[in-house]
Parts: sequence; structure tokens; C-alpha cells
Amino acid sequence: SQQGEEDPQALSIQEGENATMNCSYKTSINNLQWYRQNSGRGLVHLILIRSNEREKHSGRLRVTLDTSKKSSSLLITASRAADTASYFCARGETSGSRLTFGEGTQLTVNP
Amino acid sequence: EAQVTQNPRYLITVTGKKLTVTCSQNMNHEYMSWYRQDPGLGLRQIYYSMNVEVTDKGDVPEGYKVSRKEKRNFPLILESPSPNQTSLYFCASSLTGGELFFGEGSRLTVL
Repeated sequence: SQQGEEDPQALSIQEGENATMNCSYKTSINNLQWYRQNSGRGLVHLILIRSNEREKHSGRLRVTLDTSKKSSSLLITASRAADTASYFCARGETSGSRLTFGEGTQLTVNP
Repeated sequence: EAQVTQNPRYLITVTGKKLTVTCSQNMNHEYMSWYRQDPGLGLRQIYYSMNVEVTDKGDVPEGYKVSRKEKRNFPLILESPSPNQTSLYFCASSLTGGELFFGEGSRLTVL
């Protein structure tokens, strides 16, 4: 299986609610990144958190990293219909630049 | 404008007919990578390159070749395409250890 795994696979919420997506991984990382993909389009980088960081914010996004549990979470607050997309976590290996992606979470925000 | 450009965006071909998907980036990035995306499997890395003349296999390299003769270009070559290579392909680039910038994708169908 992929080295980065997201949970849940699909999430459907109402506008204004918060959305939380989780990512687990198996081996040591240098950093963990989150990406967004609108249907069939290229992925867009959202946020990068390094292995020595525990939490990071960017606008309505909050990412946490727990290296002891080998897990990360992405919180989108006050969601909007435009947040509807697939969200992927990507594990940055400790050596080099290689990124390994999970299978993604499909988020649907209903107006 | 900083971008990763892939061509062609769409291609239908037949089994065994060699094809090349080009990828070019204008950000002077050292790292470049190819991924394929299939339903339920997320993004899987095919090949990556840490710099000119340095390429390495990813998770699913069988049936593909790459070259990195210039920093900006990283073509993906399918010497003898087969139907199981029907997929959505993404090229991406980054500075070492940083966020990945993705192309818009190349949808390939092999009949």
C-alpha cells in the first residue's frame, strides 16, 4: 500500500462546517505536505510541515503533525463549496526530495 | 509565469506504438518527477530525477523510460505502450526538499 494513507476516503459536509482529514505513514519523514486537486487537474500545494514542527496554519487551514504516532491531520475551517476537491498528503523522505503520496480524501462541501 | 508544461494533454494511441510525453519547467528546479494517477490508487511515482543526468526508479517504473539531459526537461518515454498504461500522468518539479509544482496532466489511452 501507499506510504501515506488518508482517512476518510470520502467526506461530505455542509458549508460552514469544519473538515478534518487524517494521514498516516509508516517510516521516518523529513516533512509532510498536503495538496489539493480539483477534478482531473494538476495538484496544488497547500502547506508543508517539517518533522520538527507540530502545528502550522495558513488561512483557514491548520495542519498538525505527530511524529510519535506517525500521523498528520488537515483541518479546513468554515468550509465553502469551492473547497470541494481531493486532498492528498505526501511524505517527504529523510533523504533527498522524493515525495510519496497517499490515495487522497474526496471532500464534498454542500452549499 | 512559473509553470510546468506537459504535452500532449490528451493522447489516444495503439498498443506498441512508441510515444513520448514531454515535460518542461521554467523555475530552474533541480528535482523533477513523473506520477501516474489511477482511480483508487492515488498518485504513484514512476521515475524521478534529482538533477541533470541523475534519474531513479520510483514505485512503478516498468514499461517507462526517462532522460534528464537538460535541467528544464524531463520527458517520459513509453517504448511499447500497453493498455495497462492507460492513465492520467503528471509531471512535477521542485527545489530540493520543497513543494512540488505540478503540470496539468496528460491523459493517455492505449487501445
